[in-house]
Amino acid sequence: DGGITQSPKYLFRKEGQNVTLSCEQNLNHDAMYWYRQDPGQGLRLIYYSQIVNDFQKGDIAEGYSVSREKKESFPLTVTSAQKNPTAFYLCASSMGQGLHEQFFGPGTRLTVL
Amino acid sequence: GQQLNQSPQSMFIQEGEDVSMNCTSSSIFNTWLWYKQDPGEGPVLLIALYKAGELTSNGRLTAQFGITRKDSFLNISASIPSDVGIYFCAGVANFGNEKLTFGTGTRLTIIP
Repeated sequence: DGGITQSPKYLFRKEGQNVTLSCEQNLNHDAMYWYRQDPGQGLRLIYYSQIVNDFQKGDIAEGYSVSREKKESFPLTVTSAQKNPTAFYLCASSMGQGLHEQFFGPGTRLTVL
Repeated sequence: GQQLNQSPQSMFIQEGEDVSMNCTSSSIFNTWLWYKQDPGEGPVLLIALYKAGELTSNGRLTAQFGITRKDSFLNISASIPSDVGIYFCAGVANFGNEKLTFGTGTRLTIIP
């Protein structure tokens, strides 16, 4: 089955701890994205990567970091510098190269206590 | 950055009714996408539009890419209970840039 997986579905962390959210895709897509969604809100772009070993900041990158060492994987680290980390985090991927359809994973709900 | 204004914010309809929602921008977009999101899940792509004036259907759903390239419309015909959810428009403004800008969503509720 081709798709995007995010794990875990629910994640709890204590304030001040860094936490890494995983995102894996087996769609052979070049581009991958991380979004944050707050209750009742739309999606805001955190980081995106159009190709392996390259990534760009989105609209709300402060307090987050990413890496893209493999085509299939785009992990997101929520650092202690992120002031309001509790949110629903969504990963997506697309073929890139002018094909803009993004396909989303099931999301990870992060709660910082 | 660019913003997409989506309306209405919420809709309460009866089963069997038709639904219309739209998305507008102050700047030109080159691609329009429509997604549906169920609670606690990731958005699912419904329709993608790449050409001004394009009208595309997916079952009971029909979406149009506005002629001015600053708006898009989604219609759902003969609504059923599983249509409940939040519908998002999204657009790409610049060729060569894969970033999507998302609207704020339209929440659809079906009244029994």
